[in-house]
Amino acid sequence: AQSVTQLGSHVSVSEGALVLLRCNYSSSVPPYLFWYVQYPNQGLQLLLKYTSAATLVKGINGFEAEFKKSETSFHLTKPSAHMSDAAEYFCAVSYGSGNTGKLIFGQGTTLQVKP
Amino acid sequence: GAGVSQSPSNKVTEKGKDVELRCDPISGHTALYWYRQSLGQGLEFLIYFQGNSAPDKSGLPSDRFSAERTGGSVSTLTIQRTQQEDSAVYLCASSQTSGVYNEQFFGPGTRLTVL
Repeated sequence: AQSVTQLGSHVSVSEGALVLLRCNYSSSVPPYLFWYVQYPNQGLQLLLKYTSAATLVKGINGFEAEFKKSETSFHLTKPSAHMSDAAEYFCAVSYGSGNTGKLIFGQGTTLQVKP
Repeated sequence: GAGVSQSPSNKVTEKGKDVELRCDPISGHTALYWYRQSLGQGLEFLIYFQGNSAPDKSGLPSDRFSAERTGGSVSTLTIQRTQQEDSAVYLCASSQTSGVYNEQFFGPGTRLTVL
């Protein structure tokens, strides 16, 4: 069965510092991987997705993630944190070809950005 | 509106009562998903509709939960004889069609509190 593990339920960084949110997946078939962001009292918004094209995926708001098959990881990074990046981030995986697109989510990581 | 809408935004009910949660997907989107976000379980897939195909109900936690989608558009999630463990935020998402290549757009959710 597929699963997603996000290391660290809370991450705190200073404004301008590197953001690194970790995600590892468990999958017996090639995965499709996603990062979503949830701002307070809002719905989930797609940041970026990996669907077996380039292993380095660039998303919105300066975020990017690198798919590393050997490490079964899909960590999310941003070179310089902004206060507006404070939110909850979810890594998700979906099944391979022929699937419905239903997502399996990690437990989420709350990002705090300190001034 | 242009996005996925859900109603009500908040619902407080007494244990044992039935509740109905509504989702209006983006016009023209044929795929519709329900997810549940709770403190103990994180974000979980509940049910999926694609066009006129039989829904994928594999994520529904018990037979107290059911959902329908009328006319390929609006969907209603019904929870019968609510229990306190049903308290959660129920999220609806839609996409143009099913599959990983199609971004899921999420609504703001319905926060259900069972007293």
